[in-house]
Amino acid sequence: LAKTTQPISMDSYEGQEVNITCSHNNIATNDYITWYQQFPSQGPRFIIQGYKTKVTNEVASLFIPADRKSSTLSLPRVSLSDTAVYYCLVAVNAGGTSYGKLTFGQGTILTVHP
Amino acid sequence: DVKVTQSSRYLVKRTGEKVFLECVQDMDHENMFWYRQDPGLGLRLIYFSYDVKMKEKGDIPEGYSVSREKKERFSLILESASTNQTSMYLCASSPSGVTSYNEQFFGPGTRLTVL
Repeated sequence: LAKTTQPISMDSYEGQEVNITCSHNNIATNDYITWYQQFPSQGPRFIIQGYKTKVTNEVASLFIPADRKSSTLSLPRVSLSDTAVYYCLVAVNAGGTSYGKLTFGQGTILTVHP
Repeated sequence: DVKVTQSSRYLVKRTGEKVFLECVQDMDHENMFWYRQDPGLGLRLIYFSYDVKMKEKGDIPEGYSVSREKKERFSLILESASTNQTSMYLCASSPSGVTSYNEQFFGPGTRLTVL
């Protein structure tokens, strides 16, 4: 079972780039890495997903090294509204009808200061 | 936009009561999930369903059961509520597919308090 480990909290300032790293040493060949954002009193919201190398969308970038044992979520030029909890998710045995257990990390509390 | 709705935002029940938490999604997704979220523990999967009447246990199924009679609806049942089931309960749905099932759409959550 792929367990994920993230820093419990991080602090940043408006306009800075923030990088949050997730460790997943036991990731399986078919696993994808997904990141979610959660604001207080709301359900998590999908941010980005990747399998290897780099993925970029309008919100963030995701860097995955060749061994895939870790991944880094990069948020460019954060603002106060990016203050949230960020979760790293590794899907185990995804595909077909044989769905495995989903493992969310404990999440990283990102606080952006003025 | 995908919409996942949960029957209640806040719920207060007494120990021993049978509790039903309802979740409905409007995007014809095959997969539906129930999580609970507790401080310091993140999100933990209780049950998920990949088709009508099909279900799989998650990490913490003890004390819970589920029902999926229709594709759009997934119910979480606490047969006899206990105080340690006080928590935030989150429902999610996702389409089928190798990668898309990781892109889950969450409801707003139900904060359940068991007295």
